[in-house]
Amino acid sequence: QVQLQQSGPGLVEPSQTLSLTCAISGDSVSSNSATWNWIRQSPSRGLEWLGWTYYRSTWYNDYAQSVRGRITITPDTSKNQFSLQLNSVTPDDTAVYFCARDWGYWGYFDYWGQGTLVTVSS
Amino acid sequence: DIQMTQSPSSLSASIGNRVTITCRTSQSVGGNLNWYQQKPGKAPNLLIYAASSLQTGVPSRFSGSGSGTHFTLTINSLQREDSGTYYCQQSFGAPRTFGQGTRVEI
Repeated sequence: QVQLQQSGPGLVEPSQTLSLTCAISGDSVSSNSATWNWIRQSPSRGLEWLGWTYYRSTWYNDYAQSVRGRITITPDTSKNQFSLQLNSVTPDDTAVYFCARDWGYWGYFDYWGQGTLVTVSS
Repeated sequence: DIQMTQSPSSLSASIGNRVTITCRTSQSVGGNLNWYQQKPGKAPNLLIYAASSLQTGVPSRFSGSGSGTHFTLTINSLQREDSGTYYCQQSFGAPRTFGQGTRVEI
């Protein structure tokens, strides 16, 4: 059974960096069949995919255009986890952030973290 | 980006009814369309993947159909625990995109 456990602060000041970690159990961040994703949800944006990291003989990343330039998703094979960093946050980045596994040929989010409400406020 | 349009945005139905939710995509996604149910305060839960495949553990009253740009999620014999918000999502490529959701009230 795959489990994703999120950790990180729930309050970030404007212009600072949002950092969250997703610890994986029951699978490997280096899996050749999965991608590891960050998704956020807010009333104004709905469910918004932010980006992914995955391993296919080498590491790949891709990010949503809306956050490109501010976002980094990093795998940590020693701890079997992956992390999100979002720089220069504004109140518009306030949302519930989820990590999720996207699996297999068809690609679907079959396992999710518990969600972290991140509020951007001073 | 592939745009997703769900309809209706909300509906109210009675226990035992059949409910149908539609999802249209701005370009063909083949069969790469998934459906999720979300309860308040929880992460979305996968119901249907690849347009019509039932995820393990999901009741058989849920079914999906469609291909290309037009998809439907059907709930036969609606149960009280089926209340929540339903989302479609395409996995044809990146960026992954979601519909805006359909709220189902019992």
